[in-house]
Amino acid sequence: EIVLTQSPATLSLSPGERATLSCRASQSVSSYLAWYQQKPGQAPRLLIYGASNRATGIPARFSGSGSGTDFTLTISSLEPEDFAVYYCQQRSNWPLITFGQGTRLEI
Amino acid sequence: QVQLVESGGGVVQPGRSLRLSCVASGFTFSSNGMHWVRQAPGKGLEWVAVISNDGRDKHHADSVRGRFTISRDNSKNTLYLQMNSLRAEDTAVYYCAKDRQKAAADYYFDYWGQGTPVTVSS
Repeated sequence: EIVLTQSPATLSLSPGERATLSCRASQSVSSYLAWYQQKPGQAPRLLIYGASNRATGIPARFSGSGSGTDFTLTISSLEPEDFAVYYCQQRSNWPLITFGQGTRLEI
Repeated sequence: QVQLVESGGGVVQPGRSLRLSCVASGFTFSSNGMHWVRQAPGKGLEWVAVISNDGRDKHHADSVRGRFTISRDNSKNTLYLQMNSLRAEDTAVYYCAKDRQKAAADYYFDYWGQGTPVTVSS
């Protein structure tokens, strides 16, 4: 099983600041990585797939980068609605899909 | 717009069964693979199962294999999860999710339902 480790567990920032979230895989997943945002009481929302491709309707302030074992989700300038939990997910060795444990982005 | 509406969750005793349903609309249901993903209370996400667009190919996570079965009825635009021999550790919100890609699944989930809670307790 590929283990995804996200850091930090919690990130405290203010609106307008830049957020950098990390996801590290226990072995290479190539570029087969996605990022999701989840707000309390809501379903997750796909932000990024294929490591760097924004999903439909996702604002340009969200960007993804990385390949192999190290990946980053960057939010260039935080909006109030961006405070949520973020998960990475790999599909490299489907169907053994795994998620990271999440990073909580808080004000 | 794409909508996925789950139902069938509830409180059930250990060892009993439950069947979840997910009704899809707003897209051609028979074109996409579909998934179930669950989230235990206060925990992260766990992928549960996938079914191909035509229903022929299915895969289940190790944690549920042999107990849970995913299926679909394309004539009813409905996805199912039959859950047998339920355990306390199956307690979670269960989400159905649409695969992003048509035909061959790419295991990215671009639309999710609101989830249906399942509690396994005596």
